[in-house]
Amino acid sequence: QSALTQPASVSGSPGQSITISCAGGNSDVAYNYVSWYQQHPGKAPKLIIYDVSKRPSGVSNRFSGSKSGYKASLTISGLQTEDEAEYYCSSYRSSSSLVVFGGGTKLTVL
Amino acid sequence: VQLVESGGNLVQPGRSLRLSCVASGFTFDDYAFHWVRQAPGKGLEWVSAISWNSGSTDYADSVKGRFTISRDNAKNSLYLQMNSLRVEDTAFYFCAKTLHPIVVAGAFDRWGQGTLVTVSS
Repeated sequence: QSALTQPASVSGSPGQSITISCAGGNSDVAYNYVSWYQQHPGKAPKLIIYDVSKRPSGVSNRFSGSKSGYKASLTISGLQTEDEAEYYCSSYRSSSSLVVFGGGTKLTVL
Repeated sequence: VQLVESGGNLVQPGRSLRLSCVASGFTFDDYAFHWVRQAPGKGLEWVSAISWNSGSTDYADSVKGRFTISRDNAKNSLYLQMNSLRVEDTAFYFCAKTLHPIVVAGAFDRWGQGTLVTVSS
């Protein structure tokens, strides 16, 4: 049961925008149940996007999600130093495992 | 809203361990729950899920037949019975609450702090 595919790392400067991709297939990302999580070292993951593009209450509108076909994307605009963290995408999967995660993307804010 | 895991420990390969997760601050039996693990320095891996009424359970292939998820709604508690443990089961284990009531799959809006299971001889 292979994971969703994310880039290992991305970087950006404060104030810039970055996008993290999450590639899957017709049994997972094709559904509109993609979520994104932010995880700081030693902490539990935090939900920042669900159902492809919805933001939970309290999450900054600098975070946005989108999807095209089998690829989902997380965009962070106006980068701040506190955005430096690991980001994971996740999706419902209709075959094999019920839920699948991406391998994670380390965001460095230079 | 709070989820607190416990039960993690150092255990030898082939032995068993039971993890617990106690919830507070919301109506526990309205929601499905999941276990997600993370090996030290590695990514997240989904482990298991259970519906609000225990009527449906699901497991990752890597733990199927060895792990059993259960819940006690009267005690606001979630469990993971782990048998025949392997070295590769070493990880932090997080319990996670689903965002939407009743729905089993979907986003996890609350996570516990994690409990460390180390499988080593």
